[in-house]
Amino acid sequence: KAGVTQTPRYLIKTRGQQVTLSCSPISGHRSVSWYQQTPGQGLQFLFEYFSETQRNKGNFPGRFSGRQFSNSRSEMNVSTLELGDSALYLCASSQPTGGQETQYFGPGTRLLVL
Amino acid sequence: KQEVTQIPAALSVPEGENLVLNCSFTDSAIYNLQWFRQDPGKGLTSLLLIQSSQREQTSGRLNASLDKSSGRSTLYIAASQPGDSATYLCAVRDLGNTPLVFGKGTRLSVIA
Repeated sequence: KAGVTQTPRYLIKTRGQQVTLSCSPISGHRSVSWYQQTPGQGLQFLFEYFSETQRNKGNFPGRFSGRQFSNSRSEMNVSTLELGDSALYLCASSQPTGGQETQYFGPGTRLLVL
Repeated sequence: KQEVTQIPAALSVPEGENLVLNCSFTDSAIYNLQWFRQDPGKGLTSLLLIQSSQREQTSGRLNASLDKSSGRSTLYIAASQPGDSATYLCAVRDLGNTPLVFGKGTRLSVIA
């Protein structure tokens, strides 16, 4: 099976712009989670989607939003970019099966905001 | 609110040494605990997942233990190799479909 894929892998944006990141989960996985990773804060949970519905949301401002499509692919959008949004954005997919909810991560999208 | 701590933040050992990485969490009402490996600039690779009802899991040279009552988990790496050099992250999932809460990781360097 192909793993989790994320596009693009690298992005450079300027303050005030917006950005959309894409995640394709492992085939058959219906849950997609997004995380932001920075050197100072580590990995922080953004949101989780399951069957096109947002199931959990982390403590991020409304500039961060996401959605999931019927084929389980997910996108996250960040509007009005700030310098502090520079980070590695990781997507993970899983398929709950009797409690063995291992999360499988993609390679990430590295966003640099100038 | 669940908090996960990993000590030490960095560790350097000679090749061949057995080592233990530590993870502690504040709320023992967990669903499972997962250990991940992250190579520089890359995503995370799942190493081991321990359900709350389990005491340990093993995969090759890796063994993870869980002591829910004390809020601790350890990752034991036997006969370390330079290829084991990476950051190791511990993550806890609480009860009730909650998201993973990660520690900040231990950066391991195995010197040949």
